[in-house]
Order: sequence, then structure tokens, then C-alpha cells
Amino acid sequence: SQQGEEDPQALSIQEGENATMNCSYKTSINNLQWYRQNSGRGLVHLILIRSNEREKHSGRLRVTLDTSKKSSSLLITASRAADTASYFCAPQDRGSTLGRLYFGRGTQLTVWP
Amino acid sequence: DTAVSQTPKYLVTQMGNDKSIKCEQNLGHDTMYWYKQDSKKFLKIMFSYNNKELIINETVPNRFSPKSPDKAHLNLHINSLELGDSAVYFCASSRNTYEQYFGPGTRLTVT
Repeated sequence: SQQGEEDPQALSIQEGENATMNCSYKTSINNLQWYRQNSGRGLVHLILIRSNEREKHSGRLRVTLDTSKKSSSLLITASRAADTASYFCAPQDRGSTLGRLYFGRGTQLTVWP
Repeated sequence: DTAVSQTPKYLVTQMGNDKSIKCEQNLGHDTMYWYKQDSKKFLKIMFSYNNKELIINETVPNRFSPKSPDKAHLNLHINSLELGDSAVYFCASSRNTYEQYFGPGTRLTVT
């Protein structure tokens, strides 16, 4: 399957702790994207990391990419209750049709106040 | 200033009916998508249009027919609805191969 597979499926932490979510995929990619989905809402793009990049930061988010292991991780530092959401990784296959992303089932993150 | 909008937000209908979901984006993007999210949160692409041309057509029943009257709109028509069609349907748009912007979703319940 070309979809991203997130691990763990669920993660529960206290406010202020860091949250790490992992993603594995199986094909060669152009880029890999992370999205957040709050309950009952649409997905929101968080960060895009290209295949020639190893690490990227955006505010409290840090994404790493290891193309040799076909894996990526999303770190949220100093988590807040408002970070509670599902997080999806979406690899964009190198040979894929324009813009095609392969979403998995996501990691459900719960941050307790 | 809604970027990607969908109507309706909720749709409850009986088996066998035909229904449509509308999507509009005001971002000037040239590519639009329809996704289906099942009860286990698995998000799967159904269709994609680029400049009004169908470029992705996943293995979905031909009861589902997308229509793109212009670059800013992509509608989804579903014929002969079945129980298994119950899901949340998301529209999205993007510029080329960059990040996608999602609508708020349409929760379809078939009874």
C-alpha cells in the first residue's frame, strides 16, 4: 500500500509534555505532508517536507524525514490541550498523479490539562 | 472568508435516493479533490480534477459522478444511495502538488 501508516494509533499525554508521532510509507516520494484534524472538522495542513530535506520546523512542530528508512516523525513540543486532534501523514508518491496524497488512519492525540 | 466551502454540512437520506454535494473554493487553485472518510477515520481519495479535467478516478462505484463546471467548483452526485455510502465526504483544493486545503466536510447518513 502507498498510504502513510501512523504510529501509535492513539497517544495520551499531559499538557507541557512533548508528543511524538511516527509515519512509515513504502514508496519513493516527492514530499511528505502532515495534517491535523480536529473532531468534526476538515483537515488542516501543518507542514510539508521534501524528499531532499531531513528536518523542518514550524513553531512548536518539528518534522524529520528519513528516506532510507521510509519514515517520518512529527514532534509537538510543550503540548497544549488545544493540540488534541488526529494527526495524519500523507506521502506524495514520486510517480503519482498530480497532487495525489495517501492518507492513513491517523494518530489520535489527547492532551490533558 | 471561507477558503473551501461545502454544502450541505449534514445530509440524511434514504436508500435508493439521489443526492448531490457541492464544493467551492475561492483560493484560485487549479486542482480539486473529493475524499471519503469512513467511521475508522481512514481518508481515501475518490476523484481529482485539474483545470476542469478529471485526473484521478479511484475505484469507486459509478453511482458516484463528479462534475466540475469551472475551476472553482467540484460537485459530487451520488445515485441510488446505499447504506455503505454513509461517511464524511471532504472536498479539497491545491495549487499544483503543494499542500491541500480541505473543506469542513459533509456528513452523509443513509438510512
